[in-house]
Amino acid sequence: SQQGEEDPQALSIQEGENATMNCSYKTSINNLQWYRQNSGRGLVHLILIRSNEREKHSGRLRVTLDTSKKSSSLLITASRAADTASYFCATDLRGSRLTFGEGTQLTVNP
Amino acid sequence: DTGVSQNPRHKITKRGQNVTFRCDPISEHNRLYWYRQTLGQGPEFLTYFQNEAQLEKSRLLSDRFSAERPKGSFSTLEIQRTEQGDSAMYLCASSPQGVMVTDTQYFGPGTRLTVL
Repeated sequence: SQQGEEDPQALSIQEGENATMNCSYKTSINNLQWYRQNSGRGLVHLILIRSNEREKHSGRLRVTLDTSKKSSSLLITASRAADTASYFCATDLRGSRLTFGEGTQLTVNP
Repeated sequence: DTGVSQNPRHKITKRGQNVTFRCDPISEHNRLYWYRQTLGQGPEFLTYFQNEAQLEKSRLLSDRFSAERPKGSFSTLEIQRTEQGDSAMYLCASSPQGVMVTDTQYFGPGTRLTVL
């Protein structure tokens, strides 16, 4: 079963705008990871945030984690057409399986 | 290329046939995972190996499914007597077992299975 829920399910923005995606989960976690998937392709790892961290940056990506609310957000700044993809959050409970949400489909219009 | 590789990339089969997929992980990674992804959904965990030992299996992995990693390197996933509901993308991932218990999982391109 899916643990995470991403919000929104779909997001359409103009190039240069920021995109924010949210993820909620149900159980305690060791870490939370964000992945990107281009249509019909494999997943690309974007960023991992551990349960004792609150915010993390990587290039144009900013991830926050609120374990009290069991939620995370992914911010992509200054978006580009090449950022068009599905974005998934995945939680790691026991250091083995990842449990994914259903994803947010991001479309960045040129 | 030093990433995770999967073969074949696409497989079309008739209902009732057996299929086998192969995954070659990143060479120094001792953990290997299989996931299944259907259209519009996130990946769902099937099973994982640490070296050659299969440590966890999902309830999704019915008795028609079997996975092996005989020498702790590549892995195969076999589906016997395929059903139309098996149509999905089968993803393989690998990760190192480092000092931290949890590590990033690196995914392959997937094998897309279509059962007619």
